[in-house]
Amino acid sequence: EVQLLESGGGLVQPGGSLRLSCAASGFTFNSYAMTWVRRAPGKGLEWVSSISRNGGKSSYADSVRGRFTISRDNTKNTLFLQMDSLRAEDTAFYYCAKDLGGGGSLIFDYWGQGALVTVSS
Amino acid sequence: SYVLTQPPSVSVAPGETARVPCGGDNIGSKSVHWYQHRPGQAPVLVIYYRSDRPSGIPERFSGSNSGNTATLTISRVEAGDEADYYCQVWDSTHDHPVFGGGTKLTVL
Repeated sequence: EVQLLESGGGLVQPGGSLRLSCAASGFTFNSYAMTWVRRAPGKGLEWVSSISRNGGKSSYADSVRGRFTISRDNTKNTLFLQMDSLRAEDTAFYYCAKDLGGGGSLIFDYWGQGALVTVSS
Repeated sequence: SYVLTQPPSVSVAPGETARVPCGGDNIGSKSVHWYQHRPGQAPVLVIYYRSDRPSGIPERFSGSNSGNTATLTISRVEAGDEADYYCQVWDSTHDHPVFGGGTKLTVL
C-alpha cells in the first residue's frame, strides 16, 4: 500500500524557515518524480514544486522560486521542502504527491494527508 | 500561465447527474485530470487522461473534453461524493502543472 506521510509543519514568524519532510513507502521511491502542492485557507490547490526521480531536475512556481528548495533522499525514501523567507501568504496545508508515471507525467496518483504551515507573528 | 476556469459551486440531488465544467483556451487539445478533495483528507485522483479511472474509482465518474471545455460527470450522485473537485493540465509553455480554482459539489 502506497503511503505518504508529511511532517515538519508548524507556526513560524514572517521571514522564518521551515523544512517539510514526506516519508514514502509502498512503492519504489527512486522510480517516480515527486511534487509538493499546497492549499491555502479558502483557496484552491496550487502547485509548488516538482523534482525528478534522481533529483537532477527541479521546478518551482513563480510564487516560491528563490525561497523554497525541493530535494529528495532516495536512500531514505524521503522528499523534502526547505522553505525560507516565509510570508503570510505561504500559510497553507502542504501535500506531497507521487507521480503516476515514472517519467514525470505530472499526474498525481497518491497524496499525503498534508502538513499545516502557519506564517504569523 | 495557462488559466483553467471552474464555477465555484455545483449542486445536485442524490441520484441525479452532476457535471463539473473546466474551461480553458483550446483545452480539448490537452490531457485533463480531475481530483476530489474532501476537507481534512488527502486529495484523490478520480480521472486522468480525460476519461481513465484509477483502480477503486467507481464507473459513475467519467470525463470528457472538447473545444474550450472539459467536464467531469458524476452519475447517480451519492452523499459521499460531496467534495471539492479540481481539474488539472500541464502548461506546456511554462512546463508545470496548473490547477483550476476548484468547484464545491453540494449534494442536496
